Amino acid sequence: AQKVTQAQTEISVVEKEDVTLDCVYETRDTTYYLFWYKQPPSGELVFLIRRNSFDEQNEISGRYSWNFQKSTSSFNFTITASQVVDSAVYFCALRSGGAGSYQLTFGKGTKLSVIP
Amino acid sequence: DTAVSQTPKYLVTQMGNDKSIKCEQNLGHDTMYWYKQDSKKFLKIMFSYNNKELIINETVPNRFSPKSPDKAHLNLHINSLELGDSAVYFCASSQDTARYQPQHFGDGTRLSIL
Repeated sequence: AQKVTQAQTEISVVEKEDVTLDCVYETRDTTYYLFWYKQPPSGELVFLIRRNSFDEQNEISGRYSWNFQKSTSSFNFTITASQVVDSAVYFCALRSGGAGSYQLTFGKGTKLSVIP
Repeated sequence: DTAVSQTPKYLVTQMGNDKSIKCEQNLGHDTMYWYKQDSKKFLKIMFSYNNKELIINETVPNRFSPKSPDKAHLNLHINSLELGDSAVYFCASSQDTARYQPQHFGDGTRLSIL
């Protein structure tokens, strides 16, 4: 069975601070895919990034960066110099790479509040 | 040029009624999904269709019935609505042959049962 744990339920930071959102996953598959989604207060789900299990390169996109470590089964997300517009619920999700596997398993989400 | 569109965005109705939510995607994907997001924001898969065939049917009351007339559409019909059905329902789509690609979500339908 697959599982995604986002231990931080809510985080509050002051604008311009850096913040890291943790994601720990469990799977027996050797091939799998990890995703981060953002859900702003308006409610839609916005795809942020995907990482394949065989690609452990970290990625940076502007103020966002992701640290994938297979050794600790973690896929953490860091926002540098946070802004009010970053306030949202962030979801980490896992999908098996096995044939016949379709669904995303989501973590429970971390609500980030950036205070001006 | 919306990729995944759901209608209606809001649905307010009384207990016991029957309602439908429609979903359409114009991405050419072969797989579509329904997720339920509860009041604590937890997202859980309900159903998935691949090429109009039901492939995921999680433990969902049989009052919920998905219907996929073609690959681009997946509708959700709910009979005898109950208070516990109040939630946000998200439709999503993906290309199954490219399993590494993300699922694309609609904007959600907020269902409120009075």
